[in-house]
Amino acid sequence: GAGVSQTPSNKVTEKGKYVELRCDPISGHTALYWYRQSLGQGPEFLIYFQGTGAADDSGLPNDRFFAVRPEGSVSTLKIQRTERGDSAVYLCASSRSGNDEQFFGPGTRLTVL
Amino acid sequence: DAKTTQPPSMDCAEGRAANLPCNHSTISGNEYVYWYRQIHSQGPQYIIHGLKNNETNEMASLIITEDRKSSTLILPHATLRDTAVYYCIVLFGYGNKLVFGAGTILRVKS
Repeated sequence: GAGVSQTPSNKVTEKGKYVELRCDPISGHTALYWYRQSLGQGPEFLIYFQGTGAADDSGLPNDRFFAVRPEGSVSTLKIQRTERGDSAVYLCASSRSGNDEQFFGPGTRLTVL
Repeated sequence: DAKTTQPPSMDCAEGRAANLPCNHSTISGNEYVYWYRQIHSQGPQYIIHGLKNNETNEMASLIITEDRKSSTLILPHATLRDTAVYYCIVLFGYGNKLVFGAGTILRVKS
């Protein structure tokens, strides 16, 4: 079956611009996670959704970052006023519930010039 | 969640067993040991997890010491495609957020 998909695969933007990153989880998975990974480091947790609600957003670095999952399926990570330090690979994962293994997508590589 | 310590890198000959150690001396009784790996330019992939008993699946075996302060992931017959960063993660419950450390870079060589 289809895995987790993320679009776009690559995004180049300029400092100060707004970007949206999309995640399509595995069908039927109620839990969805966003992580980001800087070069040479392990992924870093950002936010966790159970259904439509954000169950844990403790990893969002500041109020420029926001994520939604309005229908409990697709999620969008939104970054306002991008900074060069936001450059990273943004990973999305889903699981059947909050108590199962997480399946990761291939990530979106964001580059802020 | 308890912290983990892993060697930064390891080499393994193709066809041989790869044994990846992980120390988690502060693990508490209700925390699980999870292993994920990340092949270059891909998202992490779940391998296996366990609480206190040894576990085996089609990918690997997980050996947890009796005091649960350390564990070893075993890939019984490593192939070149097993070259990846391997992450040992300890967390409460089954799921929720994963806290990744630096992991171990495993290089399988022919």
